[in-house]
Amino acid sequence: KAGVTQTPRYLIKTRGQQVTLSCSPISGHRSVSWYQQTPGQGLQFLFEYFSETQRNKGNFPGRFSGRQFSNSRSEMNVSTLELGDSALYLCASSLGDRGVGEQYFGPGTRLTVT
Amino acid sequence: KQEVTQIPAALSVPEGENLVLNCSFTDSAIYNLQWFRQDPGKGLTSLLLIQSSQREQTSGRLNASLDKSSGRSTLYIAASQPGDSATYLCAVKPGANNLFFGTGTRLTVIP
Repeated sequence: KAGVTQTPRYLIKTRGQQVTLSCSPISGHRSVSWYQQTPGQGLQFLFEYFSETQRNKGNFPGRFSGRQFSNSRSEMNVSTLELGDSALYLCASSLGDRGVGEQYFGPGTRLTVT
Repeated sequence: KQEVTQIPAALSVPEGENLVLNCSFTDSAIYNLQWFRQDPGKGLTSLLLIQSSQREQTSGRLNASLDKSSGRSTLYIAASQPGDSATYLCAVKPGANNLFFGTGTRLTVIP
């Protein structure tokens, strides 16, 4: 069974631009969560989706948004990029609602904002 | 707010040694605890998941224990190998919420 896939793997953007990251969960998994990882803050929760509904949201500004499609694939969007948005963005999928059960992570998207 | 601490932050051991990584959390009302491994620049690989009703889980050379009442978990690695070198993260799940991660222990196994 294929794992969680994320595209693109690497991105370089300039301040003020926007970016869209994509995540395809493990087949059959309906819960997708997004995390931001930085050297200073570690892993921080962004949001979680189940059956196209946002179930939970972390403490991030409104520039960060996401959505989930009927096939469980998820996208996150960051508008008006800032230098501090440079990070590794990880998505995780799990079988049950609210991320219940084991979480499986993708390889991440490395975003660099210049 | 749940806080997760991992000690030590870094650890170097010679190959073949057994070792223990520690994780502590402030709120014992958790649904489960999961240990992950992260190689440099890569995503997280799930190692072990312990439900709140369980005391330990084993997978190969890895054994994780959970003492919910004291807010502690340990990851025991037997007969360490250079390929075990990575950052190890523990994460707790309070109820139906997101995972709260520790800052990790960077392990180096010296051949």
